[in-house]
Amino acid sequence: GAVVSQHPSWVICKSGTSVKIECRSLDFQATTMFWYRQFPKQSLMLMATSNEGSKATYEQGVEKDKFLINHASLTLSTLTVTSAHPEDSSFYICSARAYGRADETQYFGPGTRLLVL
Amino acid sequence: GQNIDQPTEMTATEGAIVQINCTYQTSGFNGLFWYQQHAGEAPTFLSYNVLDGLEEKGRFSSFLSRSKGYSYLLLKELQMKDSASYLCAAMSSTSGTYKYIFGTGTRLKVLA
Repeated sequence: GAVVSQHPSWVICKSGTSVKIECRSLDFQATTMFWYRQFPKQSLMLMATSNEGSKATYEQGVEKDKFLINHASLTLSTLTVTSAHPEDSSFYICSARAYGRADETQYFGPGTRLLVL
Repeated sequence: GQNIDQPTEMTATEGAIVQINCTYQTSGFNGLFWYQQHAGEAPTFLSYNVLDGLEEKGRFSSFLSRSKGYSYLLLKELQMKDSASYLCAAMSSTSGTYKYIFGTGTRLKVLA
């Protein structure tokens, strides 16, 4: 199968600090990676789409200067939450779409819980 | 516009059959996905339909009608572990870029 890892799985930080979350596709090359945010009892909200070697495409209402996305290689994308505030506390999930696979699905990482105090 | 609708909650009994419906309006439609998400965990892939018809995979089946913008997920022989949220997602493809539009999810409770 296709495995996506995320690190860290849990982050607790003080307000005003920056937090970096890594998303890796372990056994396949990911042409596209997606970053989602999910608040309790709500569905996934797409934040941005990143393609390797190009700038990320952000969804309406998502501040690109606050949520920095870097897709440096076909197996790694990072999301940096800059100057985090308590309202940024959420479950952040990345997913990767595999290059050349027929099933067209995205494979999700296990998610990162961010708590900003 | 892009829109996905599915019921918010459903309840069913262990051993029964339940059907979760999903309607969508998506430009550049390129497939319909169902994911299962247990509380506190990331979603896991269940099924993918791009052509009209029924896809069966064990206890789970998924149906798609592109002309009606309609899909359903059918769960048979329900088990307690099937209690989870079920997310319907449409893939939209425009100019070579892909995006998945998610519904709000259907929380299924399976009762003993």
